[in-house]
Amino acid sequence: QVQLVESGGGVVQPGRSLRLSCAASGFIFSNYGMHWVRQAPGKGLEWVAVISDDGTDRRYADSVKGRFTISRDYSKNTVFLQMNSLRPEDTAVYHCFKEKRGYSYGDYWGQGTLVTVSS
Amino acid sequence: EIVLTQSPATLSLSPGERATLSCRASQTVSNYLAWYRQKPGQAPRLLIYDASNRATGIPARFSGSGSGTDFTLTISSLEPEDFAVYYCQQRSNWPITFGQGTRLEIK
Repeated sequence: QVQLVESGGGVVQPGRSLRLSCAASGFIFSNYGMHWVRQAPGKGLEWVAVISDDGTDRRYADSVKGRFTISRDYSKNTVFLQMNSLRPEDTAVYHCFKEKRGYSYGDYWGQGTLVTVSS
Repeated sequence: EIVLTQSPATLSLSPGERATLSCRASQTVSNYLAWYRQKPGQAPRLLIYDASNRATGIPARFSGSGSGTDFTLTISSLEPEDFAVYYCQQRSNWPITFGQGTRLEIK
């Protein structure tokens, strides 16, 4: 069965960096685009970034452009989110999701990893 | 970016009743709209995609309709597990955007 497991969250000071991982299993990883979405405590969903199935196309929300980088490792079936210059407003649970093939909708989601940016 | 506005913010109903949730887009998204349900402490689950298609394993009590800028999610007869937060999402234009959510609570 499809599984997505995020890791790498934690408490970090403003201005520092963190790298999140999303380990995927149960499907052909190279066939699907992968996304990151975040949810601040008690708030709604905010889309963050996407990487295409072949890794050639990457897009970002304006709120993270220039600070976050999405990448993927096909040998490890893992997608990453490198987060630099973190701000308190980046505090959230970060979920990855697998696209429904051919659509930019999430048909499988991970449970998320909490990132807290605080001094 | 396309803004999705969901209404009402909170809907109070009883099990067995019919629920109607709305999502309005700031510009046309054609039929490129999905609905998700998020239970407390869980990840969202895809219910409806491209406005009216039920996702795999989603029961028939869930239906979606609409196109352009106005969309509706209908739950024909509420089950206990349906009391949760619902989000709409558009994929018509980048960036992908979500509505702010509708909380469906037990009356």
